[in-house]
Parts: sequence; structure tokens; C-alpha cells
Amino acid sequence: SYELTQAPSVSVSPGQTARITCSGDALPRKYVYWFQQKSGQAPVLVIYEDNKRPSGIPERFSAFSSGTMATLTVSGAQVEDEADYYCYSTDTNRGIFGGGTRLTVL
Amino acid sequence: QMHLVDSGGGVVQPGGSLRLSCAASGFIFRSFGMHWVRQAPGKGLEWVAVIWDDGSQKYYSESVKGRFTVSRDNANNILYLQMNSLRVEDTALYFCATAAVRGENYWGQGISVTVSS
Repeated sequence: SYELTQAPSVSVSPGQTARITCSGDALPRKYVYWFQQKSGQAPVLVIYEDNKRPSGIPERFSAFSSGTMATLTVSGAQVEDEADYYCYSTDTNRGIFGGGTRLTVL
Repeated sequence: QMHLVDSGGGVVQPGGSLRLSCAASGFIFRSFGMHWVRQAPGKGLEWVAVIWDDGSQKYYSESVKGRFTVSRDNANNILYLQMNSLRVEDTALYFCATAAVRGENYWGQGISVTVSS
């Protein structure tokens, strides 16, 4: 079955740039979405259709997708960006989440 | 203000059934495809099912196919998930969520389902 692969954790100091990757064979043909989930809360969409930022999401969040790899970048990470990040895509109309990456900012 | 309110969860024995509901308000419900997503305790997000905006198409994950049924009532802005033949591994927090349409995406608060004998 189709999978999206993410590293379990990424750690940066405040102000540094964090990069979170997601790999999957179908990514060249399918949009990637990125969700942020803070502890005890529902997920929040931070990137849609590979690289678009929803209204209200800070500009420090950006993303691009190339080939079988998608990357979410948090430029100048803040303490409040500490969360789990999930990539999401589709395969034959079914949704798939990556395993999630815990971003630690300290 | 956009709201999705999940309800209907609880504790059920293996083999039992539950029906989850998700009541929408503050946006044009019939314009959005709707998803169910679950999260087992301490685990990541797992996509469960989707229903198109008009209800014409439904798709399920392999783990729930044949046991769960997604439906919607666009007249009353409600999404449903009928869960039958429940298993211990179905224990999770279940979220309803809209499809992401031009950056708009809304989630319910999540409802707990525990399958245990």
C-alpha cells in the first residue's frame, strides 16, 4: 500500500530554520498538504496544494514539492511552532497521512 | 464563526456499533467534501473516510472498509460515520474535517471511541 514517509523528529533552536520532509512515490502526481497539531488540539492546515499558505498562517511557513519529496520549511522557528507536523496526500481518492514529525524548538 | 461539533462517541465492546455525528455551522456545508480522520492514543493521524460534497462518492481506508459507512445530510448540515463490527484497534479520537478548498479547512474537536471488553 502507498505510504508517506517522514522523519520522527526535528529539533532546532529558536530563530533557526527547520525543514521537515515527506517522501512518497505518488508525490510527483498529487498535491501535498501539511498540518500542524499541537498537543491536545485538532490539526491546523498550514500549507495546501504543495506550496500555498492559508490565510492567517505566518509567512515563516513555506513548502515546496519536487519529485518524490516534499519539504515544509519553518524559517526563524518560534517556540510556539513546537508541534507535530503531518504531510497528507491522496492515492486513488483515498487519503494518506505521513507518520508525523515532532518539531522541537528549544 | 465556523464550527464542526463531533458527538456520539463512547465505550463499546468488540463487535459492537456506534454512530458518530458531526454538526456543521458557519460555512456552506454542502460545498465541501468531508473526511473522517482518527488518532489512536499516542499515535499519528490516520485517514478513515471521505464523502464528496453531494454525497455521490465515498471512499474508505482498507482498515475500515466494509465495516464503516460515511453519510451526510446536507439539508441539516450533518456528517455521520456508522461504525459496525468494532475492534479494539478502532480505539481512537475521531475527527471530522472538511476538505481543504482554496485554503479553507475546518476540523471538529474530536470525539473519543473506546472499544474494550
